[in-house]
Amino acid sequence: DAGVIQSPRHEVTEMGQEVTLRCKPISGHDYLFWYRQTMMRGLELLIYFNNNVPIDDSGMPEDRFSAKMPNASFSTLKIQPSEPRDSAVYFCASGQRQGTEAFFGQGTRLTVV
Amino acid sequence: AQSVAQPEDQVNVAEGNPLTVKCTYSVSGNPYLFWYVQYPNRGLQFLLKYITGDNLVKGSYGFEAEFNKSQTSFHLKKPSALVSDSALYFCAVREGSARQLTFGSGTQLTVLP
Repeated sequence: DAGVIQSPRHEVTEMGQEVTLRCKPISGHDYLFWYRQTMMRGLELLIYFNNNVPIDDSGMPEDRFSAKMPNASFSTLKIQPSEPRDSAVYFCASGQRQGTEAFFGQGTRLTVV
Repeated sequence: AQSVAQPEDQVNVAEGNPLTVKCTYSVSGNPYLFWYVQYPNRGLQFLLKYITGDNLVKGSYGFEAEFNKSQTSFHLKKPSALVSDSALYFCAVREGSARQLTFGSGTQLTVLP
């Protein structure tokens, strides 16, 4: 298996623009997680899905952030409009119902200027 | 609520010496404990986990960790450090009924040649 695949790896955008981050989880995994990593706040869970249904979005910082999982093999995290303080590395991870650990993608480094 | 503390931001050790990276946790139920490693510009890589059973768990690359329930600790150890072990290490906890992982702030390990 190729693991969790995220795209793009790097994104530079101007403040006010819409940004869409993409994730393909490992096939057969029931859970999908979006995390954000910054120097100041470390790794924060933004939202997670079970069988494509959002379970806990309490970590989503503002209404500017939204996430969808239209099917078992694809998820998006959208920021609209983007702000410089959204600059961070965004990780997607997936896990199995029967298993316990999460497997992470390589991350998307977002820079908002 | 579940939480993790990694009291050391930075650990330096000479190559060939044993290393320890500390982690303490807080959960209201039974803990599932994990260690991940992050190399520069990469995603998090799973190292090992404790679910139940033997308090000493062995993982990838010669790492091991000891679960201590009375001290609520899960320290990562390796008998002989390699320069290539230099990376950022994260401890994480999941309460039995929860699905999401809560991460510590990370410890930067530097192994000096």
